[in-house]
Formats: sequence, C-alpha cells, structure tokens
Amino acid sequence: QVQLVESGGGVVQPGRSLRLSCAASGFTFSHSAMHWVRQAPGKGLEWVAVISYNGVDKYYGDSVKGRFTISRDNSKNTVYLDIHSARGEDTAIYYCVSLTAPAAIVDALDLWGPGTLVTVSS
Amino acid sequence: QPVLTQSPSASASLGASVKFTCTLSTGHSSHAIAWHQQQPEKGPRFLMRLDSDGSHTKGDGIPDRFSGSSSGSERYLTISSLQSEDEAFYYCQTWGTDVVVFGGGTKLTV
Repeated sequence: QVQLVESGGGVVQPGRSLRLSCAASGFTFSHSAMHWVRQAPGKGLEWVAVISYNGVDKYYGDSVKGRFTISRDNSKNTVYLDIHSARGEDTAIYYCVSLTAPAAIVDALDLWGPGTLVTVSS
Repeated sequence: QPVLTQSPSASASLGASVKFTCTLSTGHSSHAIAWHQQQPEKGPRFLMRLDSDGSHTKGDGIPDRFSGSSSGSERYLTISSLQSEDEAFYYCQTWGTDVVVFGGGTKLTV
C-alpha cells in the first residue's frame, strides 16, 4: 500500500551527527518531491527541507540551513536527512512527507509517515 | 514568504459543526493551502488542498463531513456532524517558491 516509513531516530549527543531514512512504497517515488517536517515536544509543525524528484534541487528551513543535508536514492525508494552538529532544539519527531503534484517541489503535502523521534542529549 | 494565522483553540459539541479559519498574510491572498489533522499521539494526516476560489481536493478516505471554502485572504475548514474522533489539532499549510509554511494550529475540543 501507499506508505512512508521513517527510521534512524534515537538519542544523539550535542554536536554529533545522525542519519534519518525514509522508505517509500506504493507510489512512483522517482516522480515525487520529498520533504522532512519536524515537531518539537508540545509544539507545532516546522518545515525542515525538500528535495526535488530528481535530487537536483534542495531547499532548507532557516533553522537548519548549513547543518542538515537532504538526499535521495531513487533506486532504493529512499530519502535521507543527515543531521550534523546536533543541538538541543533539534529534539523533535521527524516526519517524512511526500507531495504527488507532478513536477512540483512545493505544494500541498499529501502523504505523511508516522515519524521518528530524535532526542539530542548528553 | 507567506505567513499563516490560526486561532489557537476551538470547541464544539458532538453532532454540531465547527469552522476553522486560516488567514494568509498581505500580498498572498491568492495562495492555495492545505489542511492537515493531527489526532492525539498520532502523526498528521492530509485532509485537503484548498484553492483561492474555494475548490478543494480531499485526501483518500476523508469523509464528506469535511469541506473547505475561501474568501479573500481567508481559508476555511468546516467539519459537520462532529464526532469524538474529530478532537485534534488542525494545521493549515502553504508554500512559496522554495519554502513550506505552517500555521500555528488550532486545537479542537469536542
């Protein structure tokens, strides 16, 4: 069925790195832009990053620019988020989200994964 | 880039209707938006894409009780025949050229 499943969350020490993965199934992954959105405990939704369907275009939210890297492997139907120089304020549930509008990078985000929790703590 | 404003809370009774408002910032009144629902302890779920003319496209399995409409810079989500499972946070979302923006969310108490 159509789904996204994140993995790779856990506890990471401040200043260290962590890689999140998101496996897609049930739709044509290579045609879809992919996003990461996060939610800190008790807070609202914050957009993190997007990668175009072919991996050429990448954009980031201001709070993560220069520290996070988004990438994808269309042969594995997987998108990644590398978190570098982790900070306490990066503690959040990270959601992988797709958008099925053809050729679009940004539009209504219409398929959400269940999320993976990242905790930055020493 | 656009900014979205939502009221922090709303309440309504079982079986009644409720209407949420999402207001687009000045200069962005023609933007389409999306509505998402987040039930307690769950991830968000896409409800619908809503255009400035009020036309909307709902996600798979979203009941007819959920509808959208627009007026100027305001985008609305209406839920009729409220059920207990509708108690949730409701977020609006829009986008710029290379950015996605969320409203602060409205908590619905049924």
